[in-house]
Amino acid sequence: SQTIHQWPATLVQPVGSPLSLECTVEGTSNPNLYWYRQAAGRGLQLLFYSVGIGQISSEVPQNLSASRPQDRQFILSSKKLLLSDSGFYLCAWSRTEAFFGQGTRLTVV
Amino acid sequence: AQSVTQPDIHITVSEGASLELRCNYSYGATPYLFWYVQSPGQGLQLLLKYFSGDTLVQGIKGFEAEFKRSQSSFNLRKPSVHWSDAAEYFCAVADPVRDSWGKLQFGAGTQVVVTP
Repeated sequence: SQTIHQWPATLVQPVGSPLSLECTVEGTSNPNLYWYRQAAGRGLQLLFYSVGIGQISSEVPQNLSASRPQDRQFILSSKKLLLSDSGFYLCAWSRTEAFFGQGTRLTVV
Repeated sequence: AQSVTQPDIHITVSEGASLELRCNYSYGATPYLFWYVQSPGQGLQLLLKYFSGDTLVQGIKGFEAEFKRSQSSFNLRKPSVHWSDAAEYFCAVADPVRDSWGKLQFGAGTQVVVTP
């Protein structure tokens, strides 16, 4: 069966520090992968998606970037965090529906 | 512009009572439709989905949803709510194009509180 792992579960980072969130999928190959952000009062928003290694599409302009160095690995990064980057970040993969990870709660202080 | 609207931000329901959560969408064509549930601090779990065919869709945990094209709606229902149904519920749509199932546009969510 397929599983999706996302870590860390919680993270507190100072403004201006770098960020790296990792997501891996097991039990499937060549999945479509996604990063979503759930900000307070703003619902869930798609940030990035990837249909293959090295292929990244950005849905909204922002301070973040994504990379897919391996087939089942998806990384969300930032060089310098802003306060507005705080939120709940969810990784997902899809076939005929999206399967979500447990999320990372990021607080930028 | 495409949009997904969940008119009710917060609903309180008694345990054992019925529940209906509303979802309306504005889209060029009939999109793929989904309902997800999120417990506090957790990821999202799919309750049910509609792509085509029978407009009454059965999902997990006793939930069902009905697609009404004329009303651009996809309302979620449960005949008898359990305390464990307290959570936030999200309606989502995806473009009816192959491989777009994960590119979701979400409604703002409805928080469901279940009272004894």
